[in-house]
Amino acid sequence: QKEVEQDPGPLSVPEGAIVSLNCTYSNSAFQYFMWYRQYSRKGPELLMYTYSSGNKEDGRFTAQVDKSSKYISLFIRDSQPSDSATYLCAMRRGSYIPTFGRGTSLIVHP
Amino acid sequence: EPEVTQTPSHQVTQMGQEVILRCVPISNHLYFYWYRQILGQKVEFLVSFYNNEISEKSEIFDDQFSVERPDGSNFTLKIRSTKLEDSAMYFCASSEGGPLATEAFFGQGTRLTVV
Repeated sequence: QKEVEQDPGPLSVPEGAIVSLNCTYSNSAFQYFMWYRQYSRKGPELLMYTYSSGNKEDGRFTAQVDKSSKYISLFIRDSQPSDSATYLCAMRRGSYIPTFGRGTSLIVHP
Repeated sequence: EPEVTQTPSHQVTQMGQEVILRCVPISNHLYFYWYRQILGQKVEFLVSFYNNEISEKSEIFDDQFSVERPDGSNFTLKIRSTKLEDSAMYFCASSEGGPLATEAFFGQGTRLTVV
């Protein structure tokens, strides 16, 4: 089993939809959970950063961590065409280097 | 807004040649990283660098790879004898206080094509 699993998609939604992006992981020692957005041929850009379980909200974005299920989610409300990108989850334990998921390609069509 | 800059944006090289990828991290950052992303695959960690030495490296970072901070601003990745399978996007990243502090900020990447 891979340490971090993420469905590559593509996930195609209409503008205005609520988007749910997810990752599962196998290492229960992960404590820090990140979501990055990556536009085509660009570097990853940090969107959300959470520690341990719970929710974190930032504008239209909400990150959820369920450590008991080893499952993390990113919700995007009122999705826009400009949200079209690849979304990477990443997670790490303590001071270790993060492990990335493969990324989910999101397409928001007008 | 400060950013990590990488040059060149695209490098084409012949198999067996040496390449140097260059990065200018954010000026007050102390930790530097190289990652690579083969087309269609996940971002993979190569190496981290702090206080003028490698602090961690992955299995990918073998003897063909080296990193250097030749002056106060640049951070380079050298691949001594490139192979076809080295073709990938290479991302430089930097962070302010290491993995326990703020997360890393990534550059735009250098697309390396080995022919």
